[in-house]
Amino acid sequence: GQNIDQPTEMTATEGAIVQINCTYQTSGFNGLFWYQQHAGEAPTFLSYNVLDGLEEKGRFSSFLSRSKGYSYLLLKELQMKDSASYLCAVRLDYKLSFGAGTTVTVRA
Amino acid sequence: GAGVSQSPSNKVTEKGKDVELRCDPISGHTALYWYRQSLGQGLEFLIYFQGNSAPDKSGLPSDRFSAERTGGSVSTLTIQRTQQEDSAVYLCASSLERTPGRELFFGEGSRLTVL
Repeated sequence: GQNIDQPTEMTATEGAIVQINCTYQTSGFNGLFWYQQHAGEAPTFLSYNVLDGLEEKGRFSSFLSRSKGYSYLLLKELQMKDSASYLCAVRLDYKLSFGAGTTVTVRA
Repeated sequence: GAGVSQSPSNKVTEKGKDVELRCDPISGHTALYWYRQSLGQGLEFLIYFQGNSAPDKSGLPSDRFSAERTGGSVSTLTIQRTQQEDSAVYLCASSLERTPGRELFFGEGSRLTVL
């Protein structure tokens, strides 16, 4: 089976930085995705990493180390609207295998 | 439509009844996926379509679950003789093709409650 682990919950203050870690042990690897999901809404794509290193996109950055089976999503200058669940997913050929998600709560 | 459309958004049914959930993917997307999301759980893969064929049905939990896709577009997920453990949000996603970097676009899901 596929093992994708991420913390269940994190809390941070508006304007701060939060780092969500994801570790994986999977039978294959064709890239790592991060999705954001607000309660009751569809997951939406945030980032994709297939090579080692950091990908930056505005306030969000994602890092990958394939040798360590590790990724993180960095959220900077947190805003209240960033309160959501963040899903780590590993691509195995044509499908994504997801972690359970990390619920981030941003407090004023 | 511009995005993936699913219906119904909410369905409450009695144990033992059959339900059908519909997904209308983004126009032109050849790949279509069904996932299930239970409270506190990650997204659980159910089935993958490429065009009208389903090369991977490995995630369907039992033979009460089936899915079809017609015209390379709309898909229907059918659950027969529903059980309480089937209660979950059923998410559909589509993708332009199966290349590694192609992200999946998700619908808002169909929330199924089995009483």
